[in-house]
Amino acid sequence: GQSLEQPSEVTAVEGAIVQINCTYQTSGFYGLSWYQQHDGGAPTFLSYNALDGLEETGRFSSFLSRSDSYGYLLLQELQMKDSASYFCAETGFQKLVFGTGTRLLVSP
Amino acid sequence: GAVVSQHPSRVICKSGTSVKIECRSLDFQATTMFWYRQFPKKSLMLMATSNEGSKATYEQGVEKDKFLINHASLTLSTLTVTSAHPEDSSFYICSASIIVTSTTADTQYFGPGTRLTVL
Repeated sequence: GQSLEQPSEVTAVEGAIVQINCTYQTSGFYGLSWYQQHDGGAPTFLSYNALDGLEETGRFSSFLSRSDSYGYLLLQELQMKDSASYFCAETGFQKLVFGTGTRLLVSP
Repeated sequence: GAVVSQHPSRVICKSGTSVKIECRSLDFQATTMFWYRQFPKKSLMLMATSNEGSKATYEQGVEKDKFLINHASLTLSTLTVTSAHPEDSSFYICSASIIVTSTTADTQYFGPGTRLTVL
């Protein structure tokens, strides 16, 4: 079946850079999306890679390599408010399949 | 921007009762809405895809007779948890798709979620 694996938890300090990896075992999807979710809140869209390579959106960047079945989200200049859960999601026609999720803890 | 609301945000009910959750797209028409459930510290699991005016498509393992989905208009979808039991306690999140084409991925906008607790 389809599965997207992420590390369960990542910790970092304010101002640092952190990379959250996503490995998957499926193919044929349109692209890989990334979502942020604070506790008790709705997922909010961060970034989308339709093609291989790096997409940059402010402090957040996302990377996709279909040949390696791998993607990552890069967060720069970390802030306390970035503490949240992050999900990669296989993005297809009328379908999102979410990864296992990574909880990011940012400390002072 | 595209806003999706859910009502209620939180509900507590007794075992055996039914609970209806509404999902509305406030400033756009959504041809497709999605329902997810999320257990604490877990990922979002797609339950069903709902297209306006047609029957919902349920994911494998989701009981369609227990989780009734109605998508009566382009701005409203409802999820009814019938004969709820404690194991149905979860965070239910809807999303709405603003563009549907055959060649591009959709953008989904998520509602704030409904916390269901069944006693």
